[in-house]
Amino acid sequence: GAGVSQSPSNKVTEKGKDVELRCDPISGHTALYWYRQSLGQGLEFLIYFQGNSAPDKSGLPSDRFSAERTGGSVSTLTIQRTQQEDSAVYLCASSLIPANTEAFFGQGTRLTVV
Amino acid sequence: TQLLEQSPQFLSIQEGENLTVYCNSSSVFSSLQWYRQEPGEGPVLLVTVVTGGEVKKLKRLTFQFGDARKDSSLHITAAQPGDTGLYLCAGVGDRYGQNFVFGPGTRLSVLP
Repeated sequence: GAGVSQSPSNKVTEKGKDVELRCDPISGHTALYWYRQSLGQGLEFLIYFQGNSAPDKSGLPSDRFSAERTGGSVSTLTIQRTQQEDSAVYLCASSLIPANTEAFFGQGTRLTVV
Repeated sequence: TQLLEQSPQFLSIQEGENLTVYCNSSSVFSSLQWYRQEPGEGPVLLVTVVTGGEVKKLKRLTFQFGDARKDSSLHITAAQPGDTGLYLCAGVGDRYGQNFVFGPGTRLSVLP
């Protein structure tokens, strides 16, 4: 597709289970970003990838959160032992040149931990 | 620590009114972007301002970047219900690396 694709669009999981969220960036975009947005709030930065490496992972809230990117393309955000406070919309964005141009966002994955 | 602050946090106005929202920081950014987010969607870029003092117009929207590149404003003339959404400013600056720093947003509601 032409845009950033995220899957699943919605995920309901039980507390304590692990979840994987996927992001397919725009082809050729070198930078990829993960953000978290709680209801009615702004964007909370989680992690940034340049190619397959993560120069800035300072926003990951705990060691239950991890992310990887392979082939300079698809990225997966993994949350282990989910907690109710992890419930939020997880947004992925990509850009052609890191932070020099527009960030294109996916529609997000709405995660609900019950 | 919030690097970017936006005000007001919420704004509800009638169709046809004018409004201004603000984005402020104690840090200097090389550029600043404004995004609009509608429910169920990701944010979409409205404008990028690069030069201190720069003013850009996009139809009824006017964006200004402060001379010191620490603040910005968005002015909407004759607001319409279609302008309803969450307006986010994002700072782009070398000090914080190759990253977009987002403000908390201003949630605008334009009533018909």
